[in-house]
Amino acid sequence: IAGITQAPTSQILAAGRRMTLRCTQDMRHNAMYWYRQDLGLGLRLIHYSNTAGTTGKGEVPDGYSVSRANTDDFPLTLASAVPSQTSVYFCASSNDPGGYNEQFFGPGTRLTVL
Amino acid sequence: GQNIDQPTEMTATEGAIVQINCTYQTSGFNGLFWYQQHAGEAPTFLSYNVLDGLEEKGRFSSFLSRSKGYSYLLLKELQMKDSASYLCAVNSDYKLSFGAGTTVTVRA
Repeated sequence: IAGITQAPTSQILAAGRRMTLRCTQDMRHNAMYWYRQDLGLGLRLIHYSNTAGTTGKGEVPDGYSVSRANTDDFPLTLASAVPSQTSVYFCASSNDPGGYNEQFFGPGTRLTVL
Repeated sequence: GQNIDQPTEMTATEGAIVQINCTYQTSGFNGLFWYQQHAGEAPTFLSYNVLDGLEEKGRFSSFLSRSKGYSYLLLKELQMKDSASYLCAVNSDYKLSFGAGTTVTVRA
């Protein structure tokens, strides 16, 4: 059982380029989340999806978009990357969209925008 | 917005006890989580409190006081492998808001 996977593991990207971070889970969880983690700021929610076909904005959604075409996949797209989007990105999933159960995190993607 | 505070760093000796405090001010409260995160790795779930009181799970315990907006994570019989960051997260409006994390260093 893989749990939750992310790709790529790391990426260096030129500013202005488009980039999609991939996230796949095999736990059949309804809810999925994208966070960014920056030193001293902790994890901040970018976008979330409570179930396939629906998405919502988190605390820091600007410059990012998501889609949820099916239960397993939740890609995060940076349409035109900027240096301030340099961060570690974590995808997470939970079987409870209400947030009462634990979230399972993927291994993360380390993104550097130059 | 949410305001979740926890100390930045703590150091303790192997075999000792360490208590990590977390205070929060949030709009709505639906429970508090503690996660452990080793350097370069993903966060992993440790505990969840939704009612006041102490939850014990092996060497780790977590306490919650909703009226005081306060929680702590207690790590007993510290081991070297407990060196990690510990993240306090509040379920507010059905989404998690995280504190910046407390880095615990265990020394021999």
